[in-house]
Amino acid sequence: GAVVSQHPSWVICKSGTSVKIECRSLDFQATTMFWYRQFPKQSLMLMATSNEGSKATYEQGVEKDKFLINHASLTLSTLTVTSAHPEDSSFYICSARDVSSSYNEQFFGPGTRLTVL
Amino acid sequence: GQNIDQPTEMTATEGAIVQINCTYQTSGFNGLFWYQQHAGEAPTFLSYNVLDGLEEKGRFSSFLSRSKGYSYLLLKELQMKDSASYLCAALDSNYQLIWGAGTKLIIKP
Repeated sequence: GAVVSQHPSWVICKSGTSVKIECRSLDFQATTMFWYRQFPKQSLMLMATSNEGSKATYEQGVEKDKFLINHASLTLSTLTVTSAHPEDSSFYICSARDVSSSYNEQFFGPGTRLTVL
Repeated sequence: GQNIDQPTEMTATEGAIVQINCTYQTSGFNGLFWYQQHAGEAPTFLSYNVLDGLEEKGRFSSFLSRSKGYSYLLLKELQMKDSASYLCAALDSNYQLIWGAGTKLIIKP
């Protein structure tokens, strides 16, 4: 099956610093990738939809200047959390849509756990 | 608005059968997914239904009724490793996934 990787798996940073998370589709091309955030004991919350070669579409309430998304190639999307604060500590998960899949299935990366001190 | 409802938590016994229900209201409908998520891990795909009826895959089966906006996930011969959260997600007219809050399934020996 399709594989999506994320790097890093976990990161601890100081308040005010920026953190970049990479999401790669390893064996398929993904024109669309999704970034989710999940707080403990809560469901996935879609942050933004990332389309290759164009600007990301952010969900209501998500600050686009704080969460910078770049989807420069068909296999790579990055999420940069700028000036991170403790309230940004969360589990960030990306997914990639395989358009060759018969039902537009989204394949998930393993997630990145961000802790901001 | 768009909404997915599923129970918050369920408890079942090892070896038994459990059914997790999900109701949905979406703008358009292009299918319903079930995902399994263990604590601290990303979701993994279990099933997809777009037509009415039951889809069986090993110990797991998923059912859909489009007219009722209803789906269920049936887990048979429960094993301890099935303890996880089960997420119901509907694909709307824009092919965007609308997620339920997840059902935490606790398996007791």
